[in-house]
Amino acid sequence: EAQVTQNPRYLITVTGKKLTVTCSQNMNHEYMSWYRQDPGLGLRQIYYSMNVEVTDKGDVPEGYKVSRKEKRNFPLILESPSPNQTSLYFCASSLSGRGLTNYGYTFGSGTRLTVV
Amino acid sequence: QKEVEQNSGPLSVPEGAIASLNCTYSDRVSQSFFWYRQYSGKSPELIMSIYSNGDKEDGRFTAQLNKASQYVSLLIRDSQPSDSATYLCAVNTIMEYGNKLVFGAGTILRVKS
Repeated sequence: EAQVTQNPRYLITVTGKKLTVTCSQNMNHEYMSWYRQDPGLGLRQIYYSMNVEVTDKGDVPEGYKVSRKEKRNFPLILESPSPNQTSLYFCASSLSGRGLTNYGYTFGSGTRLTVV
Repeated sequence: QKEVEQNSGPLSVPEGAIASLNCTYSDRVSQSFFWYRQYSGKSPELIMSIYSNGDKEDGRFTAQLNKASQYVSLLIRDSQPSDSATYLCAVNTIMEYGNKLVFGAGTILRVKS
């Protein structure tokens, strides 16, 4: 089954404790992206990756890191989480991130993160 | 001004009616447009895409695009209680570095039986 797999689904952590949210896709998609979703603000892009070893900042990258060492994986790292990073996080992938395309995104199931 | 604007709702319609969801965008050069449906606590699911002016129909869903007015809409015919969800409009713009997809905050739709 074609899918984007995120783990964990739920996570409660304390301020300053480093954490990683994993994301893996099995569709050989070039493009992957991380979003956070907050009430009233919609989906905001954190980081994206056009392909292996190619990553760039989205609209809200502060406090986050990513890497793309393999095509299928795109982990999100919070080096020192703070309460304002409490949110619902989604990983998404698409066949390509370039050109006039109608490729929609496939989203993972989401990770609800609470930082206390 | 937000790049993609939607009325937050909730939009309430009776079962069997037509639900009309609207979205405006600010970047005149945007090229492709998407509608996603998101059930509470779930991930967004792509339901329609459109990139030419006019209408595009898929089952009970019709997407409408007017690039001159920078306006895209989604019509849901014969609305069902199972259509109750948040509908996200997403606008794609080709940038020098690649595509940029921006989401609206979503419209809550409630279909009452």
